[in-house]
Amino acid sequence: DGGITQSPKYLFRKEGQNVTLSCEQNLNHDAMYWYRQDPGQGLRLIYYSQIVNDFQKGDIAEGYSVSREKKESFPLTVTSAQKNPTAFYLCASQGSEWGEQFFGPGTRLTVL
Amino acid sequence: GQNIDQPTEMTATEGAIVQINCTYQTSGFNGLFWYQQHAGEAPTFLSYNVLDGLEEKGRFSSFLSRSKGYSYLLLKELQMKDSASYLCAVRDRDYKLSFGAGTTVTVRA
Repeated sequence: DGGITQSPKYLFRKEGQNVTLSCEQNLNHDAMYWYRQDPGQGLRLIYYSQIVNDFQKGDIAEGYSVSREKKESFPLTVTSAQKNPTAFYLCASQGSEWGEQFFGPGTRLTVL
Repeated sequence: GQNIDQPTEMTATEGAIVQINCTYQTSGFNGLFWYQQHAGEAPTFLSYNVLDGLEEKGRFSSFLSRSKGYSYLLLKELQMKDSASYLCAVRDRDYKLSFGAGTTVTVRA
């Protein structure tokens, strides 16, 4: 089945540790996105990539990093510089600039 | 940038109709999306409007007025499974999405 996978679903880390969230898609989509969702707030864009080996900062990129070495994969690293990393992280992909975004199941990160 | 407003919560009875409004201000408009999100799950696509007017898809319809910066999502014949958060999102001239905070709809028996 085609879709987007994120792993793990729940992740716990100690403060000061970097952590990498996985996002893989087999939809053959060029564009991929990372969002953060906090209670009572809309999804906020962290980073996005419209093609392999290229990516741009979104609205809240500070404390995060990404890579796009393969079309299928767009991992997000939450660094120790991110002041408030506990959140629900959603990855999405898009097949064309006019199409809708498809979302993965999300990873809930808790930093203790 | 975008400024997107939608009500925080709405409650309705099973079988009834609910209308969720969304107003937006944007520096460039390339379409408006509605997504449904159940608690702890991924948003799923419901509808897309880029031209003025009504788009109907089964029990769900979405309306857009670009001149007024206004959209609504209409949910008819409400079912218990429609209890969820509904997200309004606007695509800008760079094809990025900006999301409203979401409207939590609770359907009562």
